[in-house]
Amino acid sequence: DMKVTQMPRYLIKRMGENVLLECGQDMSHETMYWYRQDPGLGLQLIYISYDVDSNSEGDIPKGYRVSRKKREHFSLILDSAKTNQTSVYFCASTPGGPTEVFFGKGTRLTVV
Amino acid sequence: GEQVEQRPPHLSVREGDSAVITCTYTDPNSYYFFWYKQEPGASLQLLMKVFSSTEINEGQGFTVLLNKKDKQLSLNLTAAHPGDSAVYFCAVSAMDSNYQLIWGSGTKLIIKP
Repeated sequence: DMKVTQMPRYLIKRMGENVLLECGQDMSHETMYWYRQDPGLGLQLIYISYDVDSNSEGDIPKGYRVSRKKREHFSLILDSAKTNQTSVYFCASTPGGPTEVFFGKGTRLTVV
Repeated sequence: GEQVEQRPPHLSVREGDSAVITCTYTDPNSYYFFWYKQEPGASLQLLMKVFSSTEINEGQGFTVLLNKKDKQLSLNLTAAHPGDSAVYFCAVSAMDSNYQLIWGSGTKLIIKP
């Protein structure tokens, strides 16, 4: 069963704390993404990873960093979280080429 | 680079009526098109993928039309039912952008009884 799994699903953090969002996929996909989606808005691309240790900034990378040490695992890190990083974060993966993107169920992050 | 404009941002139709969502893209080399559906509180699920070689694609209860001349992609829902209430996103990709998906901004569709 092809899956993108995100952990945790819900997270509340205080401003200034570090945040780790984890994403795994069992499809051996090369390319993985992190997006954020604010209420009533579309998807904003944070980072793309083309494979292990091959990461590129997306449209809104400021305040975020990523880590991909294994093909099946892609982490999003917020160092010193800010209240304006409250959002729903989606991880996604694709085998590359002209194929669809598979999404995880999302992590709802609240920074207070 | 590629830009995708999706309209309308909000759409409300009565159950049984049709609904049309349109995306206009800019890159004439775009060849791959996708529609995703996001139900409330849920993730995005692929509704249909369309290759440029096919201008009309039919799914269950909807039709996707591709007008390459005007660079427009449309999702036409026929006889809308409450289960169609969701946010719909189009996405476009091209070989010369490494197939990265460029997303529309989404359309929130509400089906009224």
